[in-house]
Order: sequence, then C-alpha cells, then structure tokens
Amino acid sequence: GEDVEQSLFLSVREGDSSVINCTYTDSSSTYLYWYKQEPGAGLQLLTYIFSNMDMKQDQRLTVLLNKKDKHLSLRIADTQTGDSAIYFCAETFSGGYNKLIFGAGTRLAVHP
Amino acid sequence: DAMVIQNPRYQVTQFGKPVTLSCSQTLNHNVMYWYQQKSSQAPKLLFHYYDKDFNNEADTPDNFQSRRPNTSFCFLDIRSPGLGDAAMYLCATSRAIQGANVLTFGAGSRLTVL
Repeated sequence: GEDVEQSLFLSVREGDSSVINCTYTDSSSTYLYWYKQEPGAGLQLLTYIFSNMDMKQDQRLTVLLNKKDKHLSLRIADTQTGDSAIYFCAETFSGGYNKLIFGAGTRLAVHP
Repeated sequence: DAMVIQNPRYQVTQFGKPVTLSCSQTLNHNVMYWYQQKSSQAPKLLFHYYDKDFNNEADTPDNFQSRRPNTSFCFLDIRSPGLGDAAMYLCATSRAIQGANVLTFGAGSRLTVL
C-alpha cells in the first residue's frame, strides 16, 4: 500500500526549533523527500534522503530517518517567520515508476 | 530562469463546461506530471508522461484527459467539470535518471466550478 501520514498543524515561536514528523508505509521506498509550499506557490524541494542513510543535515535543516519505524522527521533550527508554510513529506513508491506519494502537509505557523 | 509555467493561475468555469489547463517548461525534462490538490489533502497524481508515453493512474476519472504535443507543453483537459473537481492543479516535471526523482513544480492553476 501507499500512504504517507503527517500531522496537519504545528505552531512554534520564532527562534525555536520546529520538528515536523511523517510516517510512511512503503518499506521499499528508496528516497524520501521534504517539499515546502508557500501561499500561492507550487511545491519546492527542500531536501531528500536516501533510504540507507539515517540523517542528513543541510544548514538549518536536519532530516532524520528511522527506517525500522518508517518514520521521517524534518527539524528546522532557529525557525523564522519566513519558514511559515506547508511542509509535505513524500516517498518514492516502489510499485510505480519513481512515483512520488505525498502526505497531506503540515502547516507551520511561526509566531513572535 | 528555467522554470515550469502554468496558465491560467485562476480558472472559473460552470458545471459541465470543459476546461483546459496548460503547463510549459524550459527545463527540457522528459517527464511531466499532473497532480490534483484539494484543501488540506495530499497532492494526488492524476497521470504522467514519460516522453510521449502516457501513464494514467488507476483511479483517475475518465473526465480527466491529457495531451503532450511536444517536450515543452502538457495540457490537462477536464471534459465535464463537477463541483468535486474544484481544486488546485499542479504540473511538475522531472528528468528520468537514476537516483532521487526531483520534481520541479509550477505555481498551480486553481479551478473553481460554479
């Protein structure tokens, strides 16, 4: 089956860290992705991780992958108001040609 | 800048009146996708083109059709829009290579059905 689950909403204070969580079902997924969608815009790739890695860091972003639990997280350090957006987790579904299956997105609200 | 452009950004149509949404890309990517995104839901893949090969998702209604006349352009045709088809329609492209499938998205076309 193909399913990606995310919590719908997260509120954090400016300067704190944000952690957005995701669970997926396809244990054969080779890559997992985080996309960001700002109001009125399309989805923009933030980062991705290969399934044989358990962590990837890119400036303020840290991705953690727990393959045993099929759990992916995105940590944003020093969250800023410009980080307010919807964040989508996605997996590459092994059953179809590199098809990306998205979660419903987590809306991140950053307040002063 | 190389990019994915969708037109129109906003489309209002009447129930049952056909609609065509367009997508163009300057990335020379060989794969083009159409996703439907409803509020607070995951983007749902409708179909994709791998070069000229059309790949329909099993649960995509017959009401949705697509055309890709050349590498740069792809169209989404909704033959008889219903109220349930009101959504954001996202076009995306990628290059078919080994490794991560990185999609580049357009800004979307928001469809309203009256």
